[in-house]
Amino acid sequence: KAGVTQTPRYLIKTRGQQVTLSCSPISGHRSVSWYQQTPGQGLQFLFEYFSETQRNKGNFPGRFSGRQFSNSRSEMNVSTLELGDSALYLCASSLQGLAGGTDTQYFGPGTRLTVL
Amino acid sequence: QKEVEQNSGPLSVPEGAIASLNCTYSDRGSQSFFWYRQYSGKSPELIMFIYSNGDKEDGRFTAQLNKASQYVSLLIRDSQPSDSATYLCAVDMIKAAGNKLTFGGGTRVLVKP
Repeated sequence: KAGVTQTPRYLIKTRGQQVTLSCSPISGHRSVSWYQQTPGQGLQFLFEYFSETQRNKGNFPGRFSGRQFSNSRSEMNVSTLELGDSALYLCASSLQGLAGGTDTQYFGPGTRLTVL
Repeated sequence: QKEVEQNSGPLSVPEGAIASLNCTYSDRGSQSFFWYRQYSGKSPELIMFIYSNGDKEDGRFTAQLNKASQYVSLLIRDSQPSDSATYLCAVDMIKAAGNKLTFGGGTRVLVKP
């Protein structure tokens, strides 16, 4: 079974631009969660999508948004990029996700975003 | 106080020894606990999860959970150089905005031959 895939793997943008990242979950998984990982803050939860609906949300500004399609693929968008948005963005998929007891999440390889 | 705390390390252990990693969490209502391993430049991969108090063994790994004391630990027996990585503790927390998986900062483990 193929794992979680993310595209692109690397991205360089400048301040003020916007960016869209893509995540394809493991076949059959309906939940996709997004995380930001930086050396200073570690791994932080952004949001979770399940059946095309945002079900859970972390403490990030509204510049960070996402969506999920009917085939469970998910995209994350960051608008008006700031230098501090430079990070590794990871998505993770699971069968049922964060609902009354998390089931196992499988991470993709991540997208390394650099904001200049 | 961070919601999930881990000693950042590095934890240096000789090959063949037992590595002991600890994690404490603040949300007493948390029910699910996970240990992930992350090699440098790679994404986290699940080692094991634990839901019930006590010990859970999987190969060379043993997770221990004590909900009354709000800590979870991971033991790595017969440590190998390939175990050198950062180990992340993750806790499922129920928040007003819904559940979220909260990660500790990770413990870096170095296994010396």
